[in-house]
Amino acid sequence: NAGVTQTPKFQVLKTGQSMTLQCAQDMNHEYMSWYRQDPGMGLRLIHYSVGAGITDQGEVPNGYNVSRSTTEDFPLRLLSAAPSQTSVYFCASNGGGSDTFGSGTRLTVV
Amino acid sequence: GEDVEQSLFLSVREGDSSVINCTYTDSSSTYLYWYKQEPGAGLQLLTYIFSNMDMKQDQRLTVLLNKKDKHLSLRIADTQTGDSAIYFCAESMLRGNMLTFGGGTRLMVKP
Repeated sequence: NAGVTQTPKFQVLKTGQSMTLQCAQDMNHEYMSWYRQDPGMGLRLIHYSVGAGITDQGEVPNGYNVSRSTTEDFPLRLLSAAPSQTSVYFCASNGGGSDTFGSGTRLTVV
Repeated sequence: GEDVEQSLFLSVREGDSSVINCTYTDSSSTYLYWYKQEPGAGLQLLTYIFSNMDMKQDQRLTVLLNKKDKHLSLRIADTQTGDSAIYFCAESMLRGNMLTFGGGTRLMVKP
């Protein structure tokens, strides 16, 4: 019973590099979202998806892209990493009233 | 825009009650949540309350909602050292969708 799985758990990038944070859920949830967590600021919504093929921007979408080709997967792409994107990233899914978060990806951009 | 505010820190003694407070500004908030985050872990949903309720109790947890003042509180009875964590208040219009989070309250429980 995996729930929401995020990979990698830790990542260090150089400024300008690109990478994809993976998120997968095995609960057949329609709704998935990405948040970033910065000290003292709580979680801020980056992008979300209400189902396969549908994505939309959250509060802080700049510098990030998402796609939702399947119900299970919702990857988050950083096209050109910047130090301001150093953060902890959480993926979440929701379906049938239950909220499930992944364990997070700690990203450092140097 | 929406804003959710919490105090940063709360310290209590083991066995005492803890009360964590939260205020929000969006009057269209329909669902209000409390999440717990332990060190190095993701967020765990503790409980949520629908905006037409003013109280919800679940074992040691009591949630109080004052919709007029846009004030939400989480009371933890008989606080234990295992309750030490960061607690986040959040709100949304739809159940589980597009949550707006507060900055979190770090609860420290002293033995």
